[in-house]
Amino acid sequence: AQSVAQPEDQVNVAEGNPLTVKCTYSVSGNPYLFWYVQYPNRGLQFLLKYITGDNLVKGSYGFEAEFNKSQTSFHLKKPSALVSDSALYFCAVRDPDNAGNMLTFGGGTRLMVKP
Amino acid sequence: DTGVSQNPRHKITKRGQNVTFRCDPISEHNRLYWYRQTLGQGPEFLTYFQNEAQLEKSRLLSDRFSAERPKGSFSTLEIQRTEQGDSAMYLCASSPRGGARDPDGGELFFGEGSRLTVL
Repeated sequence: AQSVAQPEDQVNVAEGNPLTVKCTYSVSGNPYLFWYVQYPNRGLQFLLKYITGDNLVKGSYGFEAEFNKSQTSFHLKKPSALVSDSALYFCAVRDPDNAGNMLTFGGGTRLMVKP
Repeated sequence: DTGVSQNPRHKITKRGQNVTFRCDPISEHNRLYWYRQTLGQGPEFLTYFQNEAQLEKSRLLSDRFSAERPKGSFSTLEIQRTEQGDSAMYLCASSPRGGARDPDGGELFFGEGSRLTVL
């Protein structure tokens, strides 16, 4: 069975500072990995994904994520945080061989960016 | 707005009553998913449709839950004899493509959810 862990319930960062939101996964075989963001009163939005290739993937709103196979991690990063980045972030994993493409989500990390 | 639409947005009901949620996906999206999200947790998969066919159901989907997508467009999720443990946000998502080894599968477009409170 596949699983995702987000060890931090909340991450606090000052505006302009770099941010990292952590994610580790457990899956047999090579994973497909995703980050989604949930703003207040909005639906989840896709941010970025890792399928194969370059370990550093770039996504929306200046976010990027680094896939590390040896550490089974897929941490979300941004060089300079904005107050508007404050939201709930979810890491997710998908079994590439599953035709249904169902996602298994982590518990979420609340990012608070303070001015 | 041509995004995923869910109704009602909020539903408060008494234990034992039946409730039904509707999801209108983005048109042309042939895949439709239902997830459930409880407070402080990530979304959990419930079921998915490809066109009108319900192809997979989670063990979370007890016999009291039924989902349909009769014409391959909108979908309904019905919960019979609601229990307090059913209180959650029910999320619908759609996707235009997917399949085994499809790199685009998993990019879902979510609605804003239907929040159920069972008293």
